[in-house]
Amino acid sequence: GAVVSQHPSRVICKSGTSVKIECRSLDFQATTMFWYRQFPKQSLMLMATSNEGSKATYEQGVEKDKFLINHASLTLSTLTVTSAHPEDSSFYICSARAVTGGLSNTGELFFGEGSRLTVL
Amino acid sequence: QKEVEQDPGPLSVPEGAIVSLNCTYSNSAFQYFMWYRQYSRKGPELLMYTYSSGNKEDGRFTAQVDKSSKYISLFIRDSQPSDSATYLCACRAGTYKYIFGTGTRLKVLA
Repeated sequence: GAVVSQHPSRVICKSGTSVKIECRSLDFQATTMFWYRQFPKQSLMLMATSNEGSKATYEQGVEKDKFLINHASLTLSTLTVTSAHPEDSSFYICSARAVTGGLSNTGELFFGEGSRLTVL
Repeated sequence: QKEVEQDPGPLSVPEGAIVSLNCTYSNSAFQYFMWYRQYSRKGPELLMYTYSSGNKEDGRFTAQVDKSSKYISLFIRDSQPSDSATYLCACRAGTYKYIFGTGTRLKVLA
């Protein structure tokens, strides 16, 4: 299967600082990437859809000024949690969908390993 | 009502048992059905992908979709302790938006 790399896997920061999380598709191009948030023992909550070269589409209730998403290339999307607070502590996961070719024929999503954010 | 319903478990079974995991959905537009496995503190890993109704088998795993009853299943044969994880079902219509179930925690006891 395709590989999606997410970095950092774990980050601890002070309240009020900003944290950037990177999501890279390593062996395929992804016009669309997705950012999820997952609370303990709960399912994935879609935060936003990141489209290469255009603005992200945010789900209802997600603050776009709080969670900045940039999809500058076909292999990289970033999520920046601005002015982080303890309630932003969570597990953030990205996923990517391939552009064309064999991987995208089935519309499969490939997930990163996740980034655990702890805000003190 | 959630679009995709899944029993959160936990489900505990002895090693070697056949495991049955299930989801129900409400949106008849869903055409694509997936099962993901997620180990603790890791990202989900795609296990099975099914289009429309029918069965699909891959090794010890069998995915089953019954669109008439809006019911999807994942069967694991000869379960192993290494199968212990959370299993997420996901559904998709024609767009790329996936709707996930809450996940079922499975424990396979040695």
